Amino acid sequence: DVQLTQSPSTLSASIGDRVTITCRASQSIRDWLAWYQQKPGKAPKFLIYKASTVESGVPSRFSGSGSGTEFTLTISSLQPDDFATYYCQQYESYPLTFGGGTKLEI
Amino acid sequence: QVQLVESGGGVVQPGESLRLSCAAAGFIFSQFGMHWVRQTPGKGLEWVAFISYHGSNQYYVDSVRGRFTISRDNSQNTLSLQMNRLSDDDTAVYYCAKGSVVVPDAFDIWGQGTMVIVSS
Repeated sequence: DVQLTQSPSTLSASIGDRVTITCRASQSIRDWLAWYQQKPGKAPKFLIYKASTVESGVPSRFSGSGSGTEFTLTISSLQPDDFATYYCQQYESYPLTFGGGTKLEI
Repeated sequence: QVQLVESGGGVVQPGESLRLSCAAAGFIFSQFGMHWVRQTPGKGLEWVAFISYHGSNQYYVDSVRGRFTISRDNSQNTLSLQMNRLSDDDTAVYYCAKGSVVVPDAFDIWGQGTMVIVSS
């Protein structure tokens, strides 16, 4: 199984900051990686697929990069609505797996 | 409006069974693969099962294979998860999720989730 390790597990930041979250895969997953945002009590929201393609309707301040085993999610200028937990997910092979999450807090 | 609505969660004892359902609306259900994903506080998000758009192909995470069965009724726009021989480790919020248009194994629409508690 492909293991995904996210870092940091918690990130403290302020409005307007640029933040980066890292996701490392235990083996190459090419660019078959997605990112999700989840707020407390809600289902995850689809943000990015193919490592860097932003889903329609997602603000342009969200971007993704990487390939192989190392990936990043960047938020260019934090807005109040962005404080949430972020997960990466690989779909290169079954079983599909998620990272452990990064909680972005004020 | 595109939406998924799960039902069927509840409290059961170890060894018992439960059947979850997911009603789809707002998209052509028969054209998309569908998934079940679960979430626990301790283990985060865990993909559980996938069924292809036509229902012919199913995949499962090892921990549920042989106990859980995913199925779909395209005439009723409904996805199901039959869960047998439940254990404490199956306690979680269960989400149904739609495979995205471009990437069938990423999840672009999620339901609100249904809670399953396995406890004696």
